[in-house]
Amino acid sequence: AQTVTQSQPEMSVQEAETVTLSCTYDTSESDYYLFWYKQPPSRQMILVIRQEAYKQQNATENRFSVNFQKAAKSFSLKISDSQLGDAAMYFCARNNAGNMLTFGGGTRLMVKP
Amino acid sequence: KAGVTQTPRYLIKTRGQQVTLSCSPISGHRSVSWYQQTPGQGLQFLFEYFSETQRNKGNFPGRFSGRQFSNSRSEMNVSTLELGDSALYLCASSLARGDRSTDTQYFGPGTRLTVL
Repeated sequence: AQTVTQSQPEMSVQEAETVTLSCTYDTSESDYYLFWYKQPPSRQMILVIRQEAYKQQNATENRFSVNFQKAAKSFSLKISDSQLGDAAMYFCARNNAGNMLTFGGGTRLMVKP
Repeated sequence: KAGVTQTPRYLIKTRGQQVTLSCSPISGHRSVSWYQQTPGQGLQFLFEYFSETQRNKGNFPGRFSGRQFSNSRSEMNVSTLELGDSALYLCASSLARGDRSTDTQYFGPGTRLTVL
């Protein structure tokens, strides 16, 4: 089975500091897409950032950026200047054939004031 | 544009009953996917509908079924409910112009189903 693994069940960061969430994945394909979704207590899944595997440049969205290492099959999310509103569950996901997402187990991020 | 909407937001059923959940995609999106989220199994893909046809299916029993209407709205049905079906059911929509789609999926707020 092609899996997505998030090795950190919980992470904690001080407000205004930087935190990195880890994700590794398994795939035999050369063309695929990776995503980070955020799920706050409201349970609404919100897209944070998306990375195309064929692009060497790491994606960036304001305070959120990724470190995509294709050979290592690693896709980490860096959150800079952490804010209280960043506290949530974060899920890493990759798309499979057929518009199906495979998700990691999630990382709960706590932000301390 | 309005986001993905799901109704109802909360449901309580008893074992053996059946339930129907509804999802309205973002305007213009033709693909609707369903996911089940539980504390034990995490997020798991149920099925995807595109242009009123089930295009892909996850590894769930036949009690889980769905359909899509001509306006792209989708319903998901679970028959003969079991305690283990208690979960958050998430619907996501995307443009998904091809089967090997790279379009981003946008999620609704979910339906929380509790089976007693």
